[in-house]
Amino acid sequence: EIVLTQSPGTLSLSPGERAILSCRASQSVSSSFLAWYQQKPGQAPRLLIYGASIRATGIATRFSGSGSGTDFTLTISRLEPEDSAVYYCQQYQSSPLTFGGGTKVEIK
Amino acid sequence: EVQLVQSGAEMRKSGESLKISCEGSGYSFTNYWIGWVRQMPGKGLEWMGTIYPGDSDTRYSPSFQGQVTISADKSINTAYLQWSSLKASDTAMYFCARRAETTEYFQQWGLGTLVTVSS
Repeated sequence: EIVLTQSPGTLSLSPGERAILSCRASQSVSSSFLAWYQQKPGQAPRLLIYGASIRATGIATRFSGSGSGTDFTLTISRLEPEDSAVYYCQQYQSSPLTFGGGTKVEIK
Repeated sequence: EVQLVQSGAEMRKSGESLKISCEGSGYSFTNYWIGWVRQMPGKGLEWMGTIYPGDSDTRYSPSFQGQVTISADKSINTAYLQWSSLKASDTAMYFCARRAETTEYFQQWGLGTLVTVSS
């Protein structure tokens, strides 16, 4: 099973600042089978990024994904108040599909 | 518009059975895998399993194999998640989600069904 470790646990930043979220895999995730989701309180997760760096339909350009192998990053270039949420990474290279523990982004 | 409509919140007692549903619309239901994801209170996301409604091919996470049953009725575009004997630890939000056509990230999610099990 591929274990995904996300850091930091919580990120507290001001509007306009850049957020950098990390997702580290216990083994290499080839062909960039890595996705990112956003979950706001009381809502279902929403797909942001797949293939490590491809924005899903309708996702704002301030969200970007990068990385390969065991280290992946979600960057929010200029935080807006509505970006307050928990962000999860997910690998889909192998079964069982696994999610990271999440990073909570708080807007000051 | 793709929609996944989940059944409403449920309250049960330990030992009881339960079946919750997820109805898909706005796309060809038989051609996309549907997954189930658990979220325990205040916790993260856990993949439980996935079904292909076209032929009911089903894959389970080892953590959930034997604990739940995933099924689908393609005649009414509905997938199901069921328990034969609930435990208090099954208390959680359960999401269904439509997989991408050829790979295993989840493009579209239902709003979730809250299951509360009292002991």
